[in-house]
Amino acid sequence: AQSVTQLGSHVSVSEGALVLLRCNYSSSVPPYLFWYVQYPNQGLQLLLKYTSAATLVKGINGFEAEFKKSETSFHLTKPSAHMSDAAEYFCAVTFYSSASKIIFGSGTRLSIRP
Amino acid sequence: DGGITQSPKYLFRKEGQNVTLSCEQNLNHDAMYWYRQDPGQGLRLIYYSQIVNDFQKGDIAEGYSVSREKKESFPLTVTSAQKNPTAFYLCASSLGTSSHEQFFGPGTRLTVL
Repeated sequence: AQSVTQLGSHVSVSEGALVLLRCNYSSSVPPYLFWYVQYPNQGLQLLLKYTSAATLVKGINGFEAEFKKSETSFHLTKPSAHMSDAAEYFCAVTFYSSASKIIFGSGTRLSIRP
Repeated sequence: DGGITQSPKYLFRKEGQNVTLSCEQNLNHDAMYWYRQDPGQGLRLIYYSQIVNDFQKGDIAEGYSVSREKKESFPLTVTSAQKNPTAFYLCASSLGTSSHEQFFGPGTRLTVL
């Protein structure tokens, strides 16, 4: 079955520290992968997406993610956390064979300590 | 500006009442979606529509109904049959089967009193 798993429902880092949010997927066909961010009481905003081009994908707000097929992972990173990065982050996966449905992970809440 | 609008932002309903949530997009997208979000559970798909006058049930369609009479609009009705309707509802759209990226509206928070 195709699925996506986010490790850690809550991650806390200090301002200026590295941000690492983990995402693993399960799929028998090549995936398309996304990271979305959600601020409180708002909709989701696309951070970045992988669609079989470069494996290192750069997104908005200084975030990037690397697709590793051997590890079935698509972890999100940012070198230096900012207070404004505090939000909920969702990893999502879809597949060309079922293009209309995206499978979302359960989300990771990122907190930033001053 | 192109985008997706949802109204109202906050909605209160008495038990036993039906209520309709609005979703409109001016992105010229073919596909539209409704999700329900509960704390700690991520997003769950309620209904989706790939084309006007056609829609399919998602993972949690019971107690909900939709219509797609116009390309721009995809209203969701939460019926009295939905036993636990209090949640945050998100509408999204995408170009269709040729594009996988979904664009989201700002959401509607429904509270049953």
